[in-house]
Formats: sequence, structure tokens, C-alpha cells
Amino acid sequence: DAGVIQSPRHEVTEMGQEVTLRCKPISGHNSLFWYRQTMMRGLELLIYFNNNVPIDDSGMPEDRFSAKMPNASFSTLKIQPSEPRDSAVYFCGTGGDFDEQFFGPGTRLTVL
Amino acid sequence: DQQVKQNSPSLSVQEGRISILNCDYTNSMFDYFLWYKKYPAEGPTFLISISSIKDKNEDGRFTVFLNKSAKHLSLHIVPSQPGDSAVYFCAASALYQGAQKLVFGQGTRLTINP
Repeated sequence: DAGVIQSPRHEVTEMGQEVTLRCKPISGHNSLFWYRQTMMRGLELLIYFNNNVPIDDSGMPEDRFSAKMPNASFSTLKIQPSEPRDSAVYFCGTGGDFDEQFFGPGTRLTVL
Repeated sequence: DQQVKQNSPSLSVQEGRISILNCDYTNSMFDYFLWYKKYPAEGPTFLISISSIKDKNEDGRFTVFLNKSAKHLSLHIVPSQPGDSAVYFCAASALYQGAQKLVFGQGTRLTINP
């Protein structure tokens, strides 16, 4: 298995632009999580899905953030419009029946 | 509110000595605790875990201790090696609507000096 795949690995955009981050989970894992890593707060859980259904989106910072999981093999995190304070590394993690989660390599987002 | 806290942002240890990383939590509903290790430009990788019914779990050079009454866990690495230099995140888990929801601390950057 290739593990969790995230794209793009790096994204540089200008304030106000729409940003879409993508995640392909490990096959067979029924939970998917989106995290944001910042220096101040470490790894923050933004939203997670179980069997493609959003379970808890209380970590999504603002309405500018949205996430979808149209099927078991794909999820997106969208920021529209993006702002400089959204600059961070965004990780996608997936889990199976146990507590361990597997993470993708992350997307480093820079909003100018 | 930060439910999982790692109060030391960084730690420097001599090669061969013991590294001790600490983590505190506030929510008594957490029933599983994990440590993840993260190298630059990579995602976190699972290192070791402990169930709330245990107070110690050992895996090679890594041992995790859990003190439920103090809501405190620690990771011991002995002996420390240069390859252990990384950021370490502790995480606490609770079952929520069918999925294990992880709450992470801020991370501790461990540097092992030769």
C-alpha cells in the first residue's frame, strides 16, 4: 500500500484565492481526519469523517473552510477565500479499527 | 482549551543518556494514549501507545508511562540515539460516534547531541 497520499505537497497562493487540498486514504480505513500544524497550537484536528460521513467539524476555524469526502478513496479540504493566517502544514490522517492513525506527508500552504 | 499539553517545546539530550518527554491531559474520558514522532517534511508516524488500563508499555528503547491519577504520561527513550532527533507529539484518544478521535499536544522538539 502506498500509504496516505496528499497533494499538492506545496502550495503558494495569494490572499483571496481558493485553495483545494487533496487526500487519498489507505484502502480499507474507514476514518479520515484533517489536521493543521502550527507552531503555537501543534496539531489541531479540523474535521473527521467516519465511513465518508462528517462526524465532527468543530475544529474548522471559519466558514471559509470546508471539507468533503465524496467516496471512500478521496477527500478534499477547501479554503475560500484564503488568508495569510491560513499558512500552515495540513495533514490528512486515516485510521482503521484501532487507535493508530497513519498520516500523509502533509501539504505546506503559504498564503501571501 | 488545550486538552493535551506538552509544556516543553524543546529538549536537548546527550547521546546514550535517557530522554524523558512529558505530557499532561485534562479530559478523564480519554482511554488510549499515543506518541508520534515527526521528522521534517514528513507526516507524523506512530511510535508507541498505552491503554488507560495499564501504567507502562515498553517497546525496545521506548517506554511509555501513564499516571491516571495525575493525568500525566511520559515517554522514555534509553539510550538516546542521534536518529531520535525529531518532534514528538503525544496524543489522547476517545471514541466519539464510531471513530477514535485523537487530540494532540503541541509537540516537543528533541535534539540528541553526539
